[in-house]
Amino acid sequence: GQNIDQPTEMTATEGAIVQINCTYQTSGFNGLFWYQQHAGEAPTFLSYNVLDGLEEKGRFSSFLSRSKGYSYLLLKELQMKDSASYLCAPGSGYSTLTFGKGTMLLVSP
Amino acid sequence: DVKVTQSSRYLVKRTGEKVFLECVQDMDHENMFWYRQDPGLGLRLIYFSYDVKMKEKGDIPEGYSVSREKKERFSLILESASTNQTSMYLCASSLSINREQSGGELFFGEGSRLTVL
Repeated sequence: GQNIDQPTEMTATEGAIVQINCTYQTSGFNGLFWYQQHAGEAPTFLSYNVLDGLEEKGRFSSFLSRSKGYSYLLLKELQMKDSASYLCAPGSGYSTLTFGKGTMLLVSP
Repeated sequence: DVKVTQSSRYLVKRTGEKVFLECVQDMDHENMFWYRQDPGLGLRLIYFSYDVKMKEKGDIPEGYSVSREKKERFSLILESASTNQTSMYLCASSLSINREQSGGELFFGEGSRLTVL
C-alpha cells in the first residue's frame, strides 16, 4: 500500500523560495515524481528522482532520500503563475503511480 | 506532440445509466490509467492496464470496469451510474521500461467531468 503525506496549503510571495515536503511509505518503490496542476487543468510532469540527491531543472529542483522516504520540491524566484497544486507521486511496479493529495501553493504579489 | 484524448469533457447522466468514458493515446504507450479526482481526496487510481487485454485494479475499482482491446484505447465503464460517481475522471498513459524502473512520466488527458443526477 501507499501512504503519502504533504502539506495541504502553502503561501509565499513573488520572488521568494518555497520548499514543499513529501514523505511516503511505498512498497516496490522505484522513483518519485512531482506534478503541477493548475486549477481546472490536468496534472503536468515536473520532475523525477530515482537516485538520492538533488535534481535541478531551472527554477525547480527536487530532492530524494530513499532511506528516509522523503522528497521535497524547491521552487525559486516564485512567479504568480506558480500558483497551483503540487502533487507528490511515488512510483512502483509497472509505472503505477499513487498521488498525494497535493499541496496548494498560493503566490501573492 | 504527445496527445491523450478523452472523448467527452462534460457529461450529465442519470442514476442507473451505463456510462462509457473513452481515452485514446497516440504515443504507442504500454501503460494506461484511469483516475478520479475529488476535492480533498486528490487523485485516486481506479484501474490501469500495462498491455492490450490486460487490466489491474487500482485503489477504488468498485462500481467500475475497463476495456483495453487496442493498445491506444482504454475505456472506463460505469455499469450503473450512481451519484457518488460524480467526479472528474482523468485518463493517463506512460511508457513502460521494466519492472525495476518507473516507466516515466504520466501524460494526462484533459479530463471528463461527469455529473450523475
